[in-house]
Amino acid sequence: AQSVAQPEDQVNVAEGNPLTVKCTYSVSGNPYLFWYVQYPNRGLQFLLKYITGDNLVKGSYGFEAEFNKSQTSFHLKKPSALVSDSALYFCAVRDMDSNYQLIWGAGTKLIIKP
Amino acid sequence: DTAVSQTPKYLVTQMGNDKSIKCEQNLGHDTMYWYKQDSKKFLKIMFSYNNKELIINETVPNRFSPKSPDKAHLNLHINSLELGDSAVYFCASSQDLVESYEQYFGPGTRLTVT
Repeated sequence: AQSVAQPEDQVNVAEGNPLTVKCTYSVSGNPYLFWYVQYPNRGLQFLLKYITGDNLVKGSYGFEAEFNKSQTSFHLKKPSALVSDSALYFCAVRDMDSNYQLIWGAGTKLIIKP
Repeated sequence: DTAVSQTPKYLVTQMGNDKSIKCEQNLGHDTMYWYKQDSKKFLKIMFSYNNKELIINETVPNRFSPKSPDKAHLNLHINSLELGDSAVYFCASSQDLVESYEQYFGPGTRLTVT
């Protein structure tokens, strides 16, 4: 069965420092991976996705993610964190065996301190 | 213009009542979804509709019934509400079900059952 794990419930980073939010996955076949962000009392917003091609994917708001097939990881990164990046981040993988639905991670709360 | 809209934003009701949540998308997408986000922020797919046809029906109680009058609307009707139904319900849409297009989420409906 397809699955995705976000091993950290919360990540704390000082403003201006680089940030990483971790995601690992388990799929049969090629992975289709996504990152979404949820600000308080809002719906989820798409950040970026990996389908095929370059392992480094660039997305919205200066975020990027690195696909690593050997480590089955898709970590979200940003070179310099902003206080406004504080939010809940979700990693997801498409379940190609079950009507293409997204399998969601539990979410990681990112807190950027000034 | 709001891409995916939901009404109402908040819904407070008593156990045993029947209620509906409405969703509309103006993106011209073929696929719409309903998700439930619980108090721990876990996301669970409930239903999806592709061209007005139910594609996914997860292990959701049959008290929940999606209804799609047309491609732009997917409403959620809930019968005999229970305390455990309290959650935030998100509607989402995507261009297609099969291709790995991103999903666009509505702002959510916070349902509280007392």
